[in-house]
Amino acid sequence: NAGVTQTPKFRVLKTGQSMTLLCAQDMNHEYMYWYRQDPGMGLRLIHYSVGEGTTAKGEVPDGYNVSRLKKQNFLLGLESAAPSQTSVYFCASSYPRTGVRQPQHFGDGTRLSIL
Amino acid sequence: DQQVKQNSPSLSVQEGRISILNCDYTNSMFDYFLWYKKYPAEGPTFLISISSIKDKNEDGRFTVFLNKSAKHLSLHIVPSQPGDSAVYFCAASRSTSGTYKYIFGTGTRLKVLA
Repeated sequence: NAGVTQTPKFRVLKTGQSMTLLCAQDMNHEYMYWYRQDPGMGLRLIHYSVGEGTTAKGEVPDGYNVSRLKKQNFLLGLESAAPSQTSVYFCASSYPRTGVRQPQHFGDGTRLSIL
Repeated sequence: DQQVKQNSPSLSVQEGRISILNCDYTNSMFDYFLWYKKYPAEGPTFLISISSIKDKNEDGRFTVFLNKSAKHLSLHIVPSQPGDSAVYFCAASRSTSGTYKYIFGTGTRLKVLA
């Protein structure tokens, strides 16, 4: 049982390049999230999705776009990478059963360096 | 403005003793709290949670305490084991958000010494 899978695990980009991070979950979860983790900053929410075809902004959405075309996949795009986007990116998912709080399940992260 | 704060970046504890990790929050609307554990090169894994209707929740060696008046929660690990060495994040959410979004603290690195 894979859970939440992120690809790639590592990537180095040059400033101005674009790329897409893929998150896939096999738990039939409705909600999916993208976070970034920076030293001394904890996990900050970039974008999230409450279902297929819907996305919304989190705390730090600037410079990122997302898409949720299929329930199991959540893509994070950087159109023009900047050094400030050097970070570790985590994807998470959860299943919001009504009235029951659910913890989020995380992938193992993508370490992204922008030169 | 950090709504969830973990003021101790690191903590060292002797094996077998109690580890106490602290977390403070500022938003009185938060009503659900979680603790996650994170090992290097892995994603955070859920450890234990507590709802604001309780002041304590226990799961094996892990107990979370919530003091709503002080806006403070703590995680107790008894007895501490070397495998508990990791970064611990607390997180908070409010039911009115409708989206199950969590605000995370900055983490505390726990080192359990053998």
